[in-house]
Amino acid sequence: DTAVSQTPKYLVTQMGNDKSIKCEQNLGHDTMYWYKQDSKKFLKIMFSYNNKELIINETVPNRFSPKSPDKAHLNLHINSLELGDSAVYFCASSQRGRQGRQAFFGQGTRLTVV
Amino acid sequence: GEDVEQSLFLSVREGDSSVINCTYTDSSSTYLYWYKQEPGAGLQLLTYIFSNMDMKQDQRLTVLLNKKDKHLSLRIADTQTGDSAIYFCAEIREDSSYKLIFGSGTRLLVRP
Repeated sequence: DTAVSQTPKYLVTQMGNDKSIKCEQNLGHDTMYWYKQDSKKFLKIMFSYNNKELIINETVPNRFSPKSPDKAHLNLHINSLELGDSAVYFCASSQRGRQGRQAFFGQGTRLTVV
Repeated sequence: GEDVEQSLFLSVREGDSSVINCTYTDSSSTYLYWYKQEPGAGLQLLTYIFSNMDMKQDQRLTVLLNKKDKHLSLRIADTQTGDSAIYFCAEIREDSSYKLIFGSGTRLLVRP
């Protein structure tokens, strides 16, 4: 019944490894996002997909590659992980409705690079 | 720039009112939002306001919007210890990017 679900919830890995985070939404929304929250709790958008098409690609190292196989899924693959990649990554989805475009968030994936 | 600004910290006593302020940037934003983040959890949408409104009340929550000054506030009446969390205001770009831009978050601490 979870609207936006991410896996895994926790990820601890060594520098230089490649890892993926998966996100699925069952709300039928047309837009999905990846946000990064740093240790000071600042939230920055990384990517946004609308109907499987990339529409936002903020200044993010090209080691980060999103993939949207369908409207309900947006995965994030990270190559050659660095210490500075340690953060909480949130997936979200949205759809324009009568209350504007509200975004619903997953519970986050806490990535720790050691 | 794209900065949405909030004060970083607020401490209140249980039962008092809390007021969290936010200054946003895009005068064309049609909706503005308040999100709550409890420790170790994701962001939960608390309330929103449409840009043609000055005020919206939802139980203990009151949102005030001053479009001229691009100022948004969230008032929590009768604040409870369970309200302790980080509160984010957010504005949405109504262009094709659908970008939701967040403030820096205000950490609310409710003292018993």
